[in-house]
Amino acid sequence: ELKVEQNPLFLSMQEGKNYTIYCNYSTTSDRLYWYRQDPGKSLESLFVLLSNGAVKQEGRLMASLDTKARLSTLHITAAVHDLSATYFCAVNLRMDSNYQLIWGAGTKLIIKP
Amino acid sequence: GAGVSQSPSNKVTEKGKDVELRCDPISGHTALYWYRQSLGQGLEFLIYFQGNSAPDKSGLPSDRFSAERTGGSVSTLTIQRTQQEDSAVYLCASSDGGFFVGGYTFGSGTRLTVV
Repeated sequence: ELKVEQNPLFLSMQEGKNYTIYCNYSTTSDRLYWYRQDPGKSLESLFVLLSNGAVKQEGRLMASLDTKARLSTLHITAAVHDLSATYFCAVNLRMDSNYQLIWGAGTKLIIKP
Repeated sequence: GAGVSQSPSNKVTEKGKDVELRCDPISGHTALYWYRQSLGQGLEFLIYFQGNSAPDKSGLPSDRFSAERTGGSVSTLTIQRTQQEDSAVYLCASSDGGFFVGGYTFGSGTRLTVV
């Protein structure tokens, strides 16, 4: 059974600081996704990581994937208030010819001015 | 359509009534997923469709919950005899189901309140 663990589950930080959210998963997978959810809104895709060593960056967010360690990180550089949201990672599970994403519990990020 | 459309966006119902939630996926997306999200919580998987069939319905919490998909497109999630614990946001997502690089695209959700 594929399990996905995120930590921390809650993070409160000051603007301008750097921090990292971790996503561990229990069995081999070839793809990992990061999503963002603003309060009262739906989820929107941030990054798709398709291979070992993959790194994607968008503004102050950078995601990386280490498939050997079964670990992805989402790094926030010089945080700003607008990045306050809940961040989910999800790992691809293939069953026969079908695919599902298995989700982490989410990390609620609050960035204080 | 251009995105995943869910209706209604909000639904208030009395305990014991039945409700139907609708999801219209992205045109051409063969896979469709239903999730439930309680306030401040993560995603609770309910059911998954590939075409019109449901390979995985393991997440349906009780036999009061059912879902169908017709024509490989629109899906309806039905909750019978609603209970207060059914109050949550119900999210629908779709994907291309094949090579699946893009992951899921989510709808805006239906906020269900049972009073």
